[in-house]
Amino acid sequence: GENVEQHPSTLSVQEGDSAVIKCTYSDSASNYFPWYKQELGKRPQLIIDIRSNVGEKKDQRIAVTLNKTAKHFSLHITETQPEDSAVYFCAAVKGYNDMRFGAGTRLTVKP
Amino acid sequence: GAGVSQTPSNKVTEKGKYVELRCDPISGHTALYWYRQSLGQGPEFLIYFQGTGAADDSGLPNDRFFAVRPEGSVSTLKIQRTERGDSAVYLCASSERTSGTDTQYFGPGTRLTVL
Repeated sequence: GENVEQHPSTLSVQEGDSAVIKCTYSDSASNYFPWYKQELGKRPQLIIDIRSNVGEKKDQRIAVTLNKTAKHFSLHITETQPEDSAVYFCAAVKGYNDMRFGAGTRLTVKP
Repeated sequence: GAGVSQTPSNKVTEKGKYVELRCDPISGHTALYWYRQSLGQGPEFLIYFQGTGAADDSGLPNDRFFAVRPEGSVSTLKIQRTERGDSAVYLCASSERTSGTDTQYFGPGTRLTVL
């Protein structure tokens, strides 16, 4: 089955710096890659997603890139703010809603 | 509109007991999913419903776990003879269709603690 690996497991940056989280997946049939942000004790919330026919997508300070050949995708957050601090999960989806998550990255943005 | 809701928010039970966890999806969403999230891990797929039927229950860990969605809306996850290893946050999500690219919206989860 699909295996999604996510790195790093923890990331600490200074406010205003950029943060990059990387994920790899194993199943070339995966065609949809959402990113979720989860604050402590809260539900995962979708922040951005990318489909397999697109290489890059940007939404304000957040961008995601996808390299289907290499089977990896990355989340980029620019001009980080303390409220960006949370756990971020990548996921890979194939077929009808077969979604597998990475283990998560705990991002801390220091003021 | 209202998001996905789950009840109870917390459930503490004793080993060997039976528990039911409820999920109310977003109105009109035909697809519903259950996940289990252990501390420090990503959500792990359990079961997915399209309408009333369980389209994929391959993630259920064993036959102590069962889920229903009798009217194609509310779903109940049932765990029999609970074990300490069942302790986790159980998340429910719903989406509008089953194309595989529709956004899944998560509920707040039920934190289950088995003593």
